[in-house]
Amino acid sequence: KQEVTQIPAALSVPEGENLVLNCSFTDSAIYNLQWFRQDPGKGLTSLLLIQSSQREQTSGRLNASLDKSSGRSTLYIAASQPGDSATYLCAVRFDNYGQNFVFGPGTRLSVLP
Amino acid sequence: EAQVTQNPRYLITVTGKKLTVTCSQNMNHEYMSWYRQDPGLGLRQIYYSMNVEVTDKGDVPEGYKVSRKEKRNFPLILESPSPNQTSLYFCATGSSSQPQHFGDGTRLSIL
Repeated sequence: KQEVTQIPAALSVPEGENLVLNCSFTDSAIYNLQWFRQDPGKGLTSLLLIQSSQREQTSGRLNASLDKSSGRSTLYIAASQPGDSATYLCAVRFDNYGQNFVFGPGTRLSVLP
Repeated sequence: EAQVTQNPRYLITVTGKKLTVTCSQNMNHEYMSWYRQDPGLGLRQIYYSMNVEVTDKGDVPEGYKVSRKEKRNFPLILESPSPNQTSLYFCATGSSSQPQHFGDGTRLSIL
């Protein structure tokens, strides 16, 4: 059964720090991987989508990398701000899993002013 | 503005009383899907639809039905709700078979 895990479960940092969130998946045969953020009481917002053929994607202060062979993706947030406080989830679409996406449990990030 | 609208946002009901959660999108996306989010279990896919009249099961379809008669709407139907379906539900849409836009969620409590 394909699984997606995220470490750490929660993270608290002072404003301005650079930080890394981790996502691991059990099967390297993936179609793509997506990072989302979820604010309390809200749905998910798509941040970055990495196709299996790509190594990284960037959007503003966010950079996501993908290493299929080791089953890992990292989300790098540069110069963190209090507005970055949210739960970050990764979701993996595995090759042999049709249109199903497996979500990780998320990392709850707090950026302190 | 891209919108995914779910209704109701909150519902408390009783076991066995049929209910429908509606989902509507204004982006003309072909792909729509339903998820439930539970503490400790994360987000799990219930059903998805690739286009009108095309639906398929996700990870946890038991106890749910869906229909896709129009492109913009994808209702989730609980014919005979049970307490284990108490959860936070999200509808999502996207192009290229990817969930990109999520609704704000529907919190269901089944007593």
